[in-house]
Amino acid sequence: EVQLVESGGGFVKPGGSLRLSCAASGFTFSNAWLSWVRQAPGKGLEWVGRVKGKIDGGTTEYAAPVKGRFTISRDDSRNMLYLQMSSLKAEDTGVYYCTTEGDSYWGQGTLVTVSS
Amino acid sequence: DVVMTQSPLSLSVTLGQPASISCRSSHSLVYSDGNTYFYWFQQRPGQSPRRLIYKVSNRDSGVPDRFSGSGSGTDFTLKISRVEAEDVGVYYCMQGSHWPPGYTFGQGTKLEIK
Repeated sequence: EVQLVESGGGFVKPGGSLRLSCAASGFTFSNAWLSWVRQAPGKGLEWVGRVKGKIDGGTTEYAAPVKGRFTISRDDSRNMLYLQMSSLKAEDTGVYYCTTEGDSYWGQGTLVTVSS
Repeated sequence: DVVMTQSPLSLSVTLGQPASISCRSSHSLVYSDGNTYFYWFQQRPGQSPRRLIYKVSNRDSGVPDRFSGSGSGTDFTLKISRVEAEDVGVYYCMQGSHWPPGYTFGQGTKLEIK
């Protein structure tokens, strides 16, 4: 059974940093393309960024609103996906989901609140 | 940038009746490899999103056959042949053919039972 479990969310002040984690199991992690998608409270879905599988170069791509502030990384030895967020703004508040491409699986999400 | 526009934004349907959601892209979604990277997602209240349809018309595993996707180029449709109570939620279209900007979602369409 495929499982994606996000963690690391919490309360942070504007300008602060936070690192989210996503623990994966049930599939061949190293080849998987993985994305982060977020959802502001009561709003729609917004793609944040993705990392390709190792066999495809492991490169990253980001949405314009987070480029230069967020960094996606992966640890294939531990089946872990990360989202390092810095220079956080109020508009970064929301639930952050990790997802797989190809066969589409989603975690339960972790809530990030950016507020003074 | 590519913009995805859904209509209607809300839909109230009687149980057992059909429903249809439209999604229009500002740019053709036919990719250079000939594929159209267009998807539909369902998000039930309080749950994570779930993909229903990939590449326009392919149902994901476990998705009931009352859900169907169609369309081409810039215009796409999700149809539910007979709405059931479990179909309540928000439906999103998404494109993956234009990079940048990367995956782009529509605003969402809220489906409720009349």
